[in-house]
Amino acid sequence: ILNVEQSPQSLHVQEGDSTNFTCSFPSSNFYALHWYRWETAKSPEALFVMTLNGDEKKKGRISATLNTKEGYSYLYIKGSQPEDSATYLCAQNTGNQFYFGTGTSLTVIP
Amino acid sequence: NAGVTQTPKFQVLKTGQSMTLQCAQDMNHEYMSWYRQDPGMGLRLIHYSVGAGITDQGEVPNGYNVSRSTTEDFPLRLLSAAPSQTSVYFCASSSRRVRGPGELFFGEGSRLTVL
Repeated sequence: ILNVEQSPQSLHVQEGDSTNFTCSFPSSNFYALHWYRWETAKSPEALFVMTLNGDEKKKGRISATLNTKEGYSYLYIKGSQPEDSATYLCAQNTGNQFYFGTGTSLTVIP
Repeated sequence: NAGVTQTPKFQVLKTGQSMTLQCAQDMNHEYMSWYRQDPGMGLRLIHYSVGAGITDQGEVPNGYNVSRSTTEDFPLRLLSAAPSQTSVYFCASSSRRVRGPGELFFGEGSRLTVL
């Protein structure tokens, strides 16, 4: 069982602010790091899958970086909008198993 | 495009009863998995399958059985429900890649209450 940790647990930002979250994971037996966005009353949806140390991915205003040597990934949101309000999950994939963090709940205040 | 379909969405059981949560996907994904979501905890893997006829245990398999007779379907069985199995259950599928499964596609979830 791996311990994947996310911080902060929750975050409130003003519309237009930029923000970032952290996902920490054990460096051992690493295959991939996944980020998911989970809106209330919906299912988690994939944002990024990263496999290589130094990976950087971007989708619109959202981007992510990966450091497998030190075991962390950052998710950045530039110019937050109310529609970005959701819980952001990260998960470490160790082959066929996934270990999820408890998520960061983001609320963007108009 | 249906994606991953879970049924039922809600179920109330009495302790000791059995039931099956159904999961079907229409994306021809080799990898399918079941998770439970409990307050204050991350999604935890119950069982997974990498293809028809192949299943394996995840982090919290006790009290659950699975089988994979077709690529499309991956049912989760509770043989004798316990209150500790009260949870929200998610099915997820993925295509296979060189380094493990790709992005997971989740169903809408099934909320189970065991009295």
